Amino acid sequence: NAGVTQTPKFRILKIGQSMTLQCTQDMNHNYMYWYRQDPGMGLKLIYYSVGAGITDKGEVPNGYNVSRSTTEDFPLRLELAAPSQTSVYFCASSSQDRGNTIYFGEGSWLTVV
Amino acid sequence: QKEVEQDPGPLSVPEGAIVSLNCTYSNSAFQYFMWYRQYSRKGPELLMYTYSSGNKEDGRFTAQVDKSSKYISLFIRDSQPSDSATYLCAMTDNYGQNFVFGPGTRLSVLP
Repeated sequence: NAGVTQTPKFRILKIGQSMTLQCTQDMNHNYMYWYRQDPGMGLKLIYYSVGAGITDKGEVPNGYNVSRSTTEDFPLRLELAAPSQTSVYFCASSSQDRGNTIYFGEGSWLTVV
Repeated sequence: QKEVEQDPGPLSVPEGAIVSLNCTYSNSAFQYFMWYRQYSRKGPELLMYTYSSGNKEDGRFTAQVDKSSKYISLFIRDSQPSDSATYLCAMTDNYGQNFVFGPGTRLSVLP
């Protein structure tokens, strides 16, 4: 029962560095999402994808990029990390064929110093 | 007006109490309603899922949806310390592409 798998779980980045958060799902879901969650602020949508080759911006896309080359994978790229990107990031997936519910990964805790 | 509002908490109750968690929403297109439980340092975990109006029960948990009032609730009976977590409400429309989340209510059940 892998579901949505994210790596790494924890990472410390220096200002200006770049990194990629990996996300893969084995449920054959067509929709995938990246959220960030800051204390007391709820989940904010960064980017989403409705299928391989199709991505779109969410509420807070600045400083991030995504790609979706396969149904399973949806990596999130952080370019030129800034302290404001210190957060916990959640990858999620959903499918209309699965009752319109969304399933989350375990999260990636990122600190930019 | 925010699209989804949730009782902010935090909420502390003694073990065995009945807990009521609530969300209100503004978009009448929402048809699918979910409750997620999120433990500290973990991802949100789907707890209850309801389509349209009505009640759904699963063990100690009951989800209620009142679409006429745009109001959803999660009841926890005989609450346990293991229920201590943040609870998020979520909803989406028939397209199931965009999900809207409440900010969460932190619940502490004291032994």
